[in-house]
Amino acid sequence: EAGVTQFPSHSVIEKGQTVTLRCDPISGHDNLYWYRRVMGKEIKFLLHFVKESKQDESGMPNNRFLAERTGGTYSTLKVQPAELEDSGVYFCASSQGWTSMNSPLHFGNGTRLTVT
Amino acid sequence: KNQVEQSPQSLIILEGKNCTLQCNYTVSPFSNLRWYKQDTGRGPVSLTIMTFSENTKSNGRYTATLDADTKQSSLHITASQLSDSASYICVVSDMEYGNKLVFGAGTILRVKS
Repeated sequence: EAGVTQFPSHSVIEKGQTVTLRCDPISGHDNLYWYRRVMGKEIKFLLHFVKESKQDESGMPNNRFLAERTGGTYSTLKVQPAELEDSGVYFCASSQGWTSMNSPLHFGNGTRLTVT
Repeated sequence: KNQVEQSPQSLIILEGKNCTLQCNYTVSPFSNLRWYKQDTGRGPVSLTIMTFSENTKSNGRYTATLDADTKQSSLHITASQLSDSASYICVVSDMEYGNKLVFGAGTILRVKS
């Protein structure tokens, strides 16, 4: 089966610009998660979709971040306007069950975002 | 202070040797503890998933142990190979906060010939 794919793999933008990251989960996985790792820190949760619904978005840092999952398939994460502190690696992951149910979580290779 | 602390921060071993990575956590209650391997430039890949009631779980040359009483876990790698060079991340599912996964900062392992 195809894994979780993320696009782009790298993005360099200037402060104040907009960037949209895309994630295609494994086919059939209802659960889609976004995570972020900023320089030197651990990976942190951003939000969780179940199909097209936001189950938990408590990790979103502020209202400059907007995630969508129209139709319950792929998801996008938009940062508008980008700030310097948004730089980091954004990971998408998908699973059949919830993480509470011990379901394996499959990660994409991430999008490395650099805001200059 | 992170709720999941890993040690050592980095480790260099010779090919063929064994090693043990440590994870101490304060997340409580938790539903499961996971170990992931992350190669440079790639996403984390699951090695083991243990529920709070399990003590050990193996995946090939990788064996994870869990002591829920002392809130410690370890990942033992047997007969290391060059391809084991990666970051190893301990992750705990926090039941108090919707079972969100709490990640450690990882241990960077380098296996040299």
